[in-house]
Amino acid sequence: GAVVSQHPSWVICKSGTSVKIECRSLDFQATTMFWYRQFPKQSLMLMATSNEGSKATYEQGVEKDKFLINHASLTLSTLTVTSAHPEDSSFYICSARGGIDSEQFFGPGTRLTVL
Amino acid sequence: AQSVAQPEDQVNVAEGNPLTVKCTYSVSGNPYLFWYVQYPNRGLQFLLKYITGDNLVKGSYGFEAEFNKSQTSFHLKKPSALVSDSALYFCAVRARISGNTPLVFGKGTRLSVIA
Repeated sequence: GAVVSQHPSWVICKSGTSVKIECRSLDFQATTMFWYRQFPKQSLMLMATSNEGSKATYEQGVEKDKFLINHASLTLSTLTVTSAHPEDSSFYICSARGGIDSEQFFGPGTRLTVL
Repeated sequence: AQSVAQPEDQVNVAEGNPLTVKCTYSVSGNPYLFWYVQYPNRGLQFLLKYITGDNLVKGSYGFEAEFNKSQTSFHLKKPSALVSDSALYFCAVRARISGNTPLVFGKGTRLSVIA
């Protein structure tokens, strides 16, 4: 299957700082990327959907000014957690799809810990 | 709106015994159905999917799932469980209708295979 990478795999930051997480589709062009958040022992909650070159569509309850998503190219999407706080600590997983009927591939996830 | 229910938080089974992880779904029209497995601090690994055709789908690592339209179920099964199968399993659904519809996940079921 297709490969999706995430960087970094884990990050620890101080409260109030911003953190950027990268998601790349390595061997296909991702027209759509999804960002999920997973709390311990819970399911994946969809945060937002982004199409290349367009603004992301955020799920209800997700602050778009807090979680900035950029999908500037067909192989790269970034999630920036601005002014991070301890409650933002979570496992963030990106997913990419090559087309409307294409399968959705997942990255390995990024563990964010905010002190 | 599409949704997935995994009624069991935890499933325990002895090694060598058959296992079943239950999943029911709700979606308008015909669904795309998926099973993923997640190991600790890792991303999701694809196991199998149902798109159309034979209701019994065979996937990775000896797993299979049966699509039952009348019961709106897609239970995951394996004839003989291994200790290494112990992990968190997610059922997911996507509506067949075109568009940027993402995968929607169930809450997950933790499988514990006891030697």
